[in-house]
Amino acid sequence: GDSVTQMEGPVTLSEEAFLTINCTYTATGYPSLFWYVQYPGEGLQLLLKATKADDKGSNKGFEATYRKETTSFHLEKGSVQVSDSAVYFCALSNFGNEKLTFGTGTRLTIIP
Amino acid sequence: NAGVTQTPKFRVLKTGQSMTLLCAQDMNHEYMYWYRQDPGMGLRLIHYSVGEGTTAKGEVPDGYNVSRLKKQNFLLGLESAAPSQTSVYFCASSEYPNRVGTEAFFGQGTRLTVV
Repeated sequence: GDSVTQMEGPVTLSEEAFLTINCTYTATGYPSLFWYVQYPGEGLQLLLKATKADDKGSNKGFEATYRKETTSFHLEKGSVQVSDSAVYFCALSNFGNEKLTFGTGTRLTIIP
Repeated sequence: NAGVTQTPKFRVLKTGQSMTLLCAQDMNHEYMYWYRQDPGMGLRLIHYSVGEGTTAKGEVPDGYNVSRLKKQNFLLGLESAAPSQTSVYFCASSEYPNRVGTEAFFGQGTRLTVV
């Protein structure tokens, strides 16, 4: 079945540092890939998505590229801010599957 | 635009008590989901529904029941609460997840403590 593996946390970075959170997936066919973000005390919200190979999703300075050859969708940001502190979930959806498949989440803390 | 609304936001139960969590969505979505989130465990799917009047089991259904009598509402019931059910519960809804790029929309969560 489909699965998502993402980088174990927690991750702590200084403000303005470069961020990478790794995500790899196992799925048949051509899944859609997502990054969701959960700010403290809130529900998950979509951060970005990509629906086909080599697509780049981007939002709020974050980017992720759908790499079918490496089955990866790593999240990156060039300069993180304290306000980026949150839990980040990688997820996929796939034809024939009635539900999203989530990774376990990566907690990111940015220190001033 | 309310999106997905969960009630209540917080609740403390005694072991053996029952309660119902309500999820309401105003986006006319067919699919609705209940997840629980525990430290270090990510999101785990409890039950889901693919349309009004339907329900299906997820990864961790034991101890929970659900009903989807109206398309916009999805209820999660705990008949006899146990401390192991202490968690944060999230409801989500989506259009058909098979469709390319369909995203899920989440409620704000219900923090449940069973003592």
